[in-house]
Amino acid sequence: EVQLVESGGGLVQPGGSLRLSCAASGFTFSSYWMHWVRQAPGKGLVWVSRVNSDGSITNYADSVKGRFTISRDNAKNTLYLQMNSLRAEDTAVYYCARTSGGFDIWGQGTMVTVSS
Amino acid sequence: QSALTQPRSVSGSPGQSVTISCTGTSSDVGGYDYVSWYQQHPGKAPKLMIYDVTKRPSGVPDRFSASKSGNTASLTISGLQAEDEADYYCCSYAGSYDWVFGGGTKLTVL
Repeated sequence: EVQLVESGGGLVQPGGSLRLSCAASGFTFSSYWMHWVRQAPGKGLVWVSRVNSDGSITNYADSVKGRFTISRDNAKNTLYLQMNSLRAEDTAVYYCARTSGGFDIWGQGTMVTVSS
Repeated sequence: QSALTQPRSVSGSPGQSVTISCTGTSSDVGGYDYVSWYQQHPGKAPKLMIYDVTKRPSGVPDRFSASKSGNTASLTISGLQAEDEADYYCCSYAGSYDWVFGGGTKLTVL
């Protein structure tokens, strides 16, 4: 079964850091671009970041540029999002998603809450 | 990147058709044939319904169709069913490896 499973979310204080993981299974992970998309409570979807298939090229939304780092380990079939200098407005469910003609496979999401 | 513009809500009765619009600019919707649509039920992950403007992934009913004209894309759901009640989001490639979503539309089946 093609599947993405996120982990690593939780409660963190403003200014803190968190690393999210996304474990892929059921497909050739190293062949696909991967993304992070977030959704604040009661709000819409927002694209956050993207990494190409071999991890050499990354892109970020302006709102997270310089604070978040996307990476992947194709040997472990895992996508990461390192989040530093977290702000209250980063509070959201974070989804990892695969790109293959649209975001065709999504994880179940992991909640990140930034609060003191 | 500014979010694409969608109506906040639409509604229709079972069996009817509804259309959800998604308006962007020539830098996103109008500039690329990479518009996709997502269905999201409460508490669930989004599901891809349409990609590359008009293409349906396998398993998506042909009641779902889409199109694009200029800077506006549209999703049409015909033969509305109760299970179609959900939030719908459009998304467009915006160049320079950026993607932008719409604000979302809540579909109510009356």
